Amino acid sequence: GQQVMQIPQYQHVQEGEDFTTYCNSSTTLSNIQWYKQRPGGHPVFLIQLVKSGEVKKQKRLTFQFGEAKKNSSLHITATQTTDVGTYFCAGPNSGGSNYKLTFGKGTLLTVNP
Amino acid sequence: GAVVSQHPSRVICKSGTSVKIECRSLDFQATTMFWYRQFPKKSLMLMATSNEGSKATYEQGVEKDKFLINHASLTLSTLTVTSAHPEDSSFYICSATGWARGEQYFGPGTRLTVT
Repeated sequence: GQQVMQIPQYQHVQEGEDFTTYCNSSTTLSNIQWYKQRPGGHPVFLIQLVKSGEVKKQKRLTFQFGEAKKNSSLHITATQTTDVGTYFCAGPNSGGSNYKLTFGKGTLLTVNP
Repeated sequence: GAVVSQHPSRVICKSGTSVKIECRSLDFQATTMFWYRQFPKKSLMLMATSNEGSKATYEQGVEKDKFLINHASLTLSTLTVTSAHPEDSSFYICSATGWARGEQYFGPGTRLTVT
């Protein structure tokens, strides 16, 4: 079945350092979505990328979708303590409902102030 | 917009009893709702997909007779954990989608503890 892999599993940085998490799918995706889950909270939708090679920015966050539409990355510039949380990528389930998503295992980001 | 509520936020029940969890989309009509289970520091495990007015579709390995799902309206889905056991203790999260793009909006989750 479809697999979505994320690395690293954990990342600890000093405040002000950059952070990147990578997502790879075993199949070509129609879109890739990113979610953030704060400790003790629930996942919150951040963004969706649809086009091959697409790059989108949200303040200090930069999201990329690979040319082959099988990989994606999230880069945070100059991390802050408010960036702490687990970042999940997710892609639509291939061969099934367009609404069902396969989530990666997530990258837990901790920031040392 | 896109607010999803879940009730209760925490519940403790005795082994053998049943627990109902409600998931509501407050400001949009959800064509589809999903139920996930999440273990500490782990990813989201999809349990079932729920469409209004039809039977839920369960993921492989999820017992449909144990985890009863009812999607009575476009804004409400319920998950009932029947004959709960301690191994059912977990964080249960629902999500809803109502857009063609398919992004999901999650409820705040329910922490179930079975004693």
